[in-house]
Amino acid sequence: DTEVTQTPKHLVMGMTNKKSLKCEQHMGHRAMYWYKQKAKKPPELMFVYSYEKLSINESVPSRFSPECPNSSLLNLHLHALQPEDSALYLCASSQDVGQEGPNTEAFFGQGTRLTVV
Amino acid sequence: GEDVEQSLFLSVREGDSSVINCTYTDSSSTYLYWYKQEPGAGLQLLTYIFSNMDMKQDQRLTVLLNKKDKHLSLRIADTQTGDSAIYFCAERASGTYKYIFGTGTRLKVLA
Repeated sequence: DTEVTQTPKHLVMGMTNKKSLKCEQHMGHRAMYWYKQKAKKPPELMFVYSYEKLSINESVPSRFSPECPNSSLLNLHLHALQPEDSALYLCASSQDVGQEGPNTEAFFGQGTRLTVV
Repeated sequence: GEDVEQSLFLSVREGDSSVINCTYTDSSSTYLYWYKQEPGAGLQLLTYIFSNMDMKQDQRLTVLLNKKDKHLSLRIADTQTGDSAIYFCAERASGTYKYIFGTGTRLKVLA
């Protein structure tokens, strides 16, 4: 099983709403990632969790709040977003890079298409 | 800088070979990846290579690495219409979590 599952697939929210994106993997990976991808652009790293602790925050605005409740789950809580936050949000997971080897590649979910109105 | 460059667009005829190029930046021990993204979908890992390798072949896919020029290429043999997608190369320095993606190449396969 090399699947990363993201829900919902599509989300439309108003600027005053609070919503959450969810991501799940059962590959035993200890690193999980959130990326943001605008149309016709490469993915941009937002957050990395390693062993359920926040390892990287790429200076993301506080209206995006990540959470890693356990080693299989990763959430992204959204509040007071702006229309320019509309994008495809991708979750990924990988082995811990402290165990470098042939299996440290990142596997991506299908993404959540977010539209902020 | 952290720019990973790719040409924006490639068009080939079905059955021909496609070659997608990428220029990366990190000269340290590095993993280099190729991902495929179909419209509205996530990224599908195709293959990867470590910087101590020159070549890797996996069925229709051949990855070539020129470390001196920091140039990576992906060759797709017998290209099919189902190969039409955006292809991203990505680099990651060993021991880090940060994947740096290229600008993406849109491959269009003509029947």
